[in-house]
Amino acid sequence: EVQLVESGGGLVQPGGSLRLSCAASGFTFGNYPMHWVRQAPGKGLEYISSILGDGSHTSYATSVKGRFTISRDNSKNTLYLQMGSLRVEDMAVYYCARDLSTGFAFDVWGPGTQVTVS
Amino acid sequence: QSALTQPASVSGSPGQSITISCTGTSSDVGAYNFVSWYQQYPGKAPKLVIFHVSNRPSGVSHRFSGSKSGNTASLTISGLQAEDEAHYYCNSYSATSVQYVFGTGTKVTVL
Repeated sequence: EVQLVESGGGLVQPGGSLRLSCAASGFTFGNYPMHWVRQAPGKGLEYISSILGDGSHTSYATSVKGRFTISRDNSKNTLYLQMGSLRVEDMAVYYCARDLSTGFAFDVWGPGTQVTVS
Repeated sequence: QSALTQPASVSGSPGQSITISCTGTSSDVGAYNFVSWYQQYPGKAPKLVIFHVSNRPSGVSHRFSGSKSGNTASLTISGLQAEDEAHYYCNSYSATSVQYVFGTGTKVTVL
């Protein structure tokens, strides 16, 4: 079964750091670009970041550029999001998502991990 | 990067058809056929229901269909059922920022 499971969320003070992980299983992880998407309480979905399958290219939303870093370890089938200089407005459920095999859509999602900044 | 514009809410009776619009710009929705739609129930992760404007993933009901005209994409749900009551979000690849942008989201209510 294709599955993504996020972990690492929790309570952090403003200005603090946190690293999220996303464990993948059931597919050849290194063959797929991966993404992070977040959802603030009661709000809509917000695209955060992407990384190619081999990790050679990354992209970020303007709201997190320079503060967040996406990375992956294909030997461990794991995606990461290093978050720094956290702000109250970063408080959200963070989802990892797999890129569709033909690209430009997110076809598998994890259940999400809650990040609280307070 | 501004979010794509969706109506806040759309409602319909069981069996009816409803359409949700998603308006962007010539740099995102209008530039590529890379519009996707996601269904989200409260407290759950989103689920892909349409990709590349009008394609359905395996397992998604044929009652879901997508289209695009200019800078506006649309999701139509035909034969509305109680289980379709959820939030729906569009998404498009954006050439301007070389990344993705989501819509503001639409709550679908089945009367």
